[in-house]
Amino acid sequence: QQQVKQSPQSLIVQKGGISIINCAYENTAFDYFPWYQQFPGKGPALLIAIRPDVSEKKEGRFTISFNKSAKQFSLHIMDSQPGDSATYFCAARRSTGNQFYFGTGTSLTVIP
Amino acid sequence: DTEVTQTPKHLVMGMTNKKSLKCEQHMGHRAMYWYKQKAKKPPELMFVYSYEKLSINESVPSRFSPECPNSSLLNLHLHALQPEDSALYLCASSLRGGFSNEQFFGPGTRLTVL
Repeated sequence: QQQVKQSPQSLIVQKGGISIINCAYENTAFDYFPWYQQFPGKGPALLIAIRPDVSEKKEGRFTISFNKSAKQFSLHIMDSQPGDSATYFCAARRSTGNQFYFGTGTSLTVIP
Repeated sequence: DTEVTQTPKHLVMGMTNKKSLKCEQHMGHRAMYWYKQKAKKPPELMFVYSYEKLSINESVPSRFSPECPNSSLLNLHLHALQPEDSALYLCASSLRGGFSNEQFFGPGTRLTVL
C-alpha cells in the first residue's frame, strides 16, 4: 500500500512559470515531510522539508505548503528554470522510526 | 562534511560473481540505509541500520547481505545476483533522534548484472 501518494506523474512548465506537485498521506503519525530532487544518474538531494506545526516554508524559489487537516502537502517552484528539470519525490517519516516513505515521483520538464 | 560517499560508481558483474558496495559518511549519523532504485521509480528501502545494528530488513533476498562495521561505514555484499537486480543502489544516512531528521543520499552505485 502506497503510504504517500504523489501527483502528477509528469509535468511540463514554461520557463518562468510555477510548477506545483502534490502529495497526500494517511498516517497521522508522520511528522516530517521532505522533498527530494533527483537528476538522472544521481542520488536524490534534499530540497526542502517541513514539519506539521507550520503551514508553509519557503526557501528561495521553493515553497512547501502543508495542510494538516487535509493530510496534504505540495511543492511550489516559482519562476521555474530549465535547470529545475528533474524528478521530484515527496516523502514522509514517523517521529518514532527511521523509515522514510516516498511518493512515486514527478518528472518535471521546464521548456525555454 | 555533509557528504555520503559510495564506491564504486559503476559495477558490472556476472551472476556467479561476488562483489561489495561500500558507503561512508562522517556526519556522525547513526542511521544508515540501503535503497534500490529502478529507472523512473522511487527509492525502494532494503535495509536500515541504527547504531550499527540491523533494524529493518524489507524482506530482501539473501543474495544481498548488508554489513555495518562501524558507525561510519556500510557495506552491501552481493552474491549470485540476477539480471533483474540491475539498478541504482543508493546509500543514505540520517541523525537518529535529535532535532534533525534530514536524510542524505550518496550518488549511488549503478549495478549491471549480466
